[in-house]
Amino acid sequence: DIQMTQSPASLSASLGETVTIQCRASEDIYSGLAWYQQKPGKSPQLLIYGASSLQDGVPSRFSGSGSGTQYSLKISSMQTEDEGVYFCQQGLKYPFTFGSGTKLEIK
Amino acid sequence: EVQLVESGGGLVQPGRSLKLSCAASGFTFSDYNMAWVRQAPKKGLEWVATIIYDGSRTYYRDSVKGRFTISRDNAKSTLYLQMDSLRSEDTATYYCATADFITIAASYVMDAWGQGASVTVSS
Repeated sequence: DIQMTQSPASLSASLGETVTIQCRASEDIYSGLAWYQQKPGKSPQLLIYGASSLQDGVPSRFSGSGSGTQYSLKISSMQTEDEGVYFCQQGLKYPFTFGSGTKLEIK
Repeated sequence: EVQLVESGGGLVQPGRSLKLSCAASGFTFSDYNMAWVRQAPKKGLEWVATIIYDGSRTYYRDSVKGRFTISRDNAKSTLYLQMDSLRSEDTATYYCATADFITIAASYVMDAWGQGASVTVSS
């Protein structure tokens, strides 16, 4: 199985701050990487697919980058509504696997 | 508006069975691959199973293979997950989701998600 290692496990950021979350795959996943946001008590929401494509309706302050085994999600200006848990996911090979999540809070 | 509504969750004893349903609306269900993803309490996300749009192929994670069966009724726009021989480690919220194939990345993402159905396996 492809292991997805996400870091950090948690972080707090001030309003307007730039935030970066990292995700490393145990093998090359050829940009088959997605990012999700989950708010408490809610289902996950797709933010980024194909490593860098923004899902419709997602604010442009979210961006994704990376290739091979290393990927990152950037929030260019932290907003209160961005609080939540972020997960990366590889969809290249079965079983699809998720990172362990990054809990993002407002400082 | 895309809607996925899960039902059928509940408390069940170890070794017993439960069947989840997911009613889809707002899109052409028969055109979409579908998936079940679960989340144990206070834990991360775990892919469970995927079924191709026409039901021709199914895929499972090893820990549920032989115990869970994903199926669909395209005429009813409904996805199912039959869970047999349930174990305590199957306790989780089960989400149904569309499994979209992204051509540019040759990979799948879970685009639309339901609100989840809670399954508790305990004596």
